[in-house]
Amino acid sequence: AQKITQTQPGMFVQEKEAVTLDCTYDTSDPSYGLFWYKQPSSGEMIFLIYQGSYDQQNATEGRYSLNFQKARKSANLVISASQLGDSAMYFCAMREISGYALNFGKGTSLLVTP
Amino acid sequence: SQTIHQWPATLVQPVGSPLSLECTVEGTSNPNLYWYRQAAGRGLQLLFYSVGIGQISSEVPQNLSASRPQDRQFILSSKKLLLSDSGFYLCAWEGGYGGELFFGEGSRLTVL
Repeated sequence: AQKITQTQPGMFVQEKEAVTLDCTYDTSDPSYGLFWYKQPSSGEMIFLIYQGSYDQQNATEGRYSLNFQKARKSANLVISASQLGDSAMYFCAMREISGYALNFGKGTSLLVTP
Repeated sequence: SQTIHQWPATLVQPVGSPLSLECTVEGTSNPNLYWYRQAAGRGLQLLFYSVGIGQISSEVPQNLSASRPQDRQFILSSKKLLLSDSGFYLCAWEGGYGGELFFGEGSRLTVL
């Protein structure tokens, strides 16, 4: 069964605007971690932000923040003040306490326009 | 600081030929190591992970194999490549506060 769902195959945002990339997850583990990665056209996977299931506050890293709604099982990535260099694929991932693997969603392609 | 490198970056191989992709981590000891594959336009699929020398766990049965001959070296191999083995292969080590993965540059394999 799909554990990570990213429903937006592609998104557009204008430079300097904020954008939200959606991610929902499915787990019965009481403890888990949620991650977001950026993959530019070069192919490398760049770690952006982490949220633990027991963290009380939403994670933030510079222009990235994670809107964590535990009851709804959602972990949306918010990018503020978009830049042209933010154009890339974005992947949501989860690791459950019961496993080693990071399970990835299928990704969202973000295009930032001038 | 920790770094991870994998090579070769690009590989074009005929069906039935062998494969060897190498991954090396520097600046850390006894890391958990991972091999993922990304098919075109898809998410990442975990192939193998290793928690120590000689310890390999396979997530997906296939004609690929992995080995960890040294603490910071992880190798992905095949004796005979299939067309379906084409893809982008990523090696990663586990670190950070949340156990996030840090990836190498990737190896793009095309099997013809």
